[in-house]
Amino acid sequence: AQSVTQLDSQVPVFEEAPVELRCNYSSSVSVYLFWYVQYPNQGLQLLLKYLSGSTLVESINGFEAEFNKSQTSFHLRKPSVHISDTAEYFCAVSYTGTASKLTFGTGTRLQVTL
Amino acid sequence: DAGVIQSPRHEVTEMGQEVTLRCKPISGHNSLFWYRQTMMRGLELLIYFNNNVPIDDSGMPEDRFSAKMPNASFSTLKIQPSEPRDSAVYFCASSAGTGSPFFGQGTRLTVV
Repeated sequence: AQSVTQLDSQVPVFEEAPVELRCNYSSSVSVYLFWYVQYPNQGLQLLLKYLSGSTLVESINGFEAEFNKSQTSFHLRKPSVHISDTAEYFCAVSYTGTASKLTFGTGTRLQVTL
Repeated sequence: DAGVIQSPRHEVTEMGQEVTLRCKPISGHNSLFWYRQTMMRGLELLIYFNNNVPIDDSGMPEDRFSAKMPNASFSTLKIQPSEPRDSAVYFCASSAGTGSPFFGQGTRLTVV
């Protein structure tokens, strides 16, 4: 069965500092990988996804994630965070061909402070 | 498009009562998902439909839970009878083909 591990439940960081949110998955077959963001009292929004092609994917607000098959990882990074990035971030995985049915990690709370 | 619409946004009910959560997926999307989010268990997939047909309901916790999708634009998740441990945020999501799902804003259910 698929599983997703987000090693850090909370990540505190100062504004303008870099951040990395870690994600590892267990599946040994081809997978699709996703990062979703959840702001307080809202639903999840897709941040970025890897389906195929370039292993480095980017979002419109400066986040990026790199698919590393050998390490079964899909870590999320941003070189300089903003207060508005404070949110819960979820990594998710699905088998190739079924991008819709996702298995989610437990989430990482990113807290950005001045 | 208004996105995935869920109602109500908040529901407080007494133990033993029937609760019905509603979802309107994005027009044209043919897959619909119900998720439950709790602090203890995170996000769990309860059931998903494809072209209005339930495909996988292995995540439905027990017989007290049921879901229907009578047409392409409406789905319900019903809990009867409700229990305090059902308190959670319930999300509906929809997708087109094999695309990634779009989530609604959720229904926060509190069973007292």
